[in-house]
Amino acid sequence: GENVEQHPSTLSVQEGDSAVIKCTYSDSASNYFPWYKQELGKRPQLIIDIRSNVGEKKDQRIAVTLNKTAKHFSLHITETQPEDSAVYFCAGFQAGTALIFGKGTTLSVSS
Amino acid sequence: NAGVMQNPRHLVRRRGQEARLRCSPMKGHSHVYWYRQLPEEGLKFMVYLQKENIIDESGMPKERFSAEFPKEGPSILRIQQVVRGDSAAYFCASSPPGVAYEQYFGPGTRLTVT
Repeated sequence: GENVEQHPSTLSVQEGDSAVIKCTYSDSASNYFPWYKQELGKRPQLIIDIRSNVGEKKDQRIAVTLNKTAKHFSLHITETQPEDSAVYFCAGFQAGTALIFGKGTTLSVSS
Repeated sequence: NAGVMQNPRHLVRRRGQEARLRCSPMKGHSHVYWYRQLPEEGLKFMVYLQKENIIDESGMPKERFSAEFPKEGPSILRIQQVVRGDSAAYFCASSPPGVAYEQYFGPGTRLTVT
């Protein structure tokens, strides 16, 4: 089955810096890759996603890139703000199965 | 449009008791997924249901755990004879018909077994 590896597990940046979180997946049949943000004690919220026929997608300060050949995808957050502090999860999806999540990255943005 | 609803939000059970967790999907959504999140870990898939059907239960422990999504009413995750290792946050997600990958999560039920 699918296996999703995520790193780093923790990331500390200064406000205004960029943050990059990387994930790799094992099954080439996976075709959809969402990113979720989870604040302490809250539900995971979908922040951006990318399908396997697209290489990059942007939404304001966040972007996701996908390299199908290398089976990895990354989340990029620019101009980080303290409210970006949270745990971020990547996931992979294949038709007929459920989301397989990475173990999460705790992002801390200090002002 | 109300989001995914879960209740209770917090549940405390003694070892050996039963826990029942409820999930009402978003309006118009026909797929329900249950995930478990242990402290400082990611979300682990447990079971995927549509109305009156279990589609995939490959992530659910074979014993003590069961799930249903009846024709009327919420989806229920049932844990019998709870043990301390069952303490976790249980999240339900729902997705619209034909878009199973687009999952929206409920607020979770935090189960504590004493």
